[in-house]
Amino acid sequence: EAGVTQFPSHSVIEKGQTVTLRCDPISGHDNLYWYRRVMGKEIKFLLHFVKESKQDESGMPNNRFLAERTGGTYSTLKVQPAELEDSGVYFCASSQEELGPVWQETQYFGPGTRLLVL
Amino acid sequence: ILNVEQSPQSLHVQEGDSTNFTCSFPSSNFYALHWYRWETAKSPEALFVMTLNGDEKKKGRISATLNTKEGYSYLYIKGSQPEDSATYLCAFKGLGSNYQLIWGAGTKLIIKP
Repeated sequence: EAGVTQFPSHSVIEKGQTVTLRCDPISGHDNLYWYRRVMGKEIKFLLHFVKESKQDESGMPNNRFLAERTGGTYSTLKVQPAELEDSGVYFCASSQEELGPVWQETQYFGPGTRLLVL
Repeated sequence: ILNVEQSPQSLHVQEGDSTNFTCSFPSSNFYALHWYRWETAKSPEALFVMTLNGDEKKKGRISATLNTKEGYSYLYIKGSQPEDSATYLCAFKGLGSNYQLIWGAGTKLIIKP
């Protein structure tokens, strides 16, 4: 079974440019999460999709960030315009629809996209 | 504000030695604690999901304990091997807040051959 994949693996852009990150979750996983880790710090939640719906987007830092999941399969995260503080590793994770207690959920992570804004 | 702390921040251990590190989390509204292992440029890998006070989980040479009353979890590695070198991340899931995972900054473990 293929794992979660993310594209690109690295991106270097200048301040003010636009970048779009893509995540392909494990097939059949309804839950899709975006996270960000700034170097040396903790991973921060950005948002959570259930199928194509945004379940929780309370972690999105501002309106420069736009996430979509059309059709409930892959997701994109667009940053426009990018700022220096947006640099970090952007992780995507997916999990199956909850068939039991929430605590049983294991999130499967992609390798991340390393974004550097200059 | 919910805070998850991991200590130490980094750790150098001689190959063959055993080691352990700590994850501290809020003791109120506890729901679950997750441990992940992350090698740079790879995907974080789920190790354990722990929910019950006193829980102990084991996976090969790695084990973890949980104390929800005092708000900490220990991760133990027995007989460290070079392939154990990674950052170990814990994440707390509390009641409410849409069950978001709140992450620690990780413990970076380096095994010296």
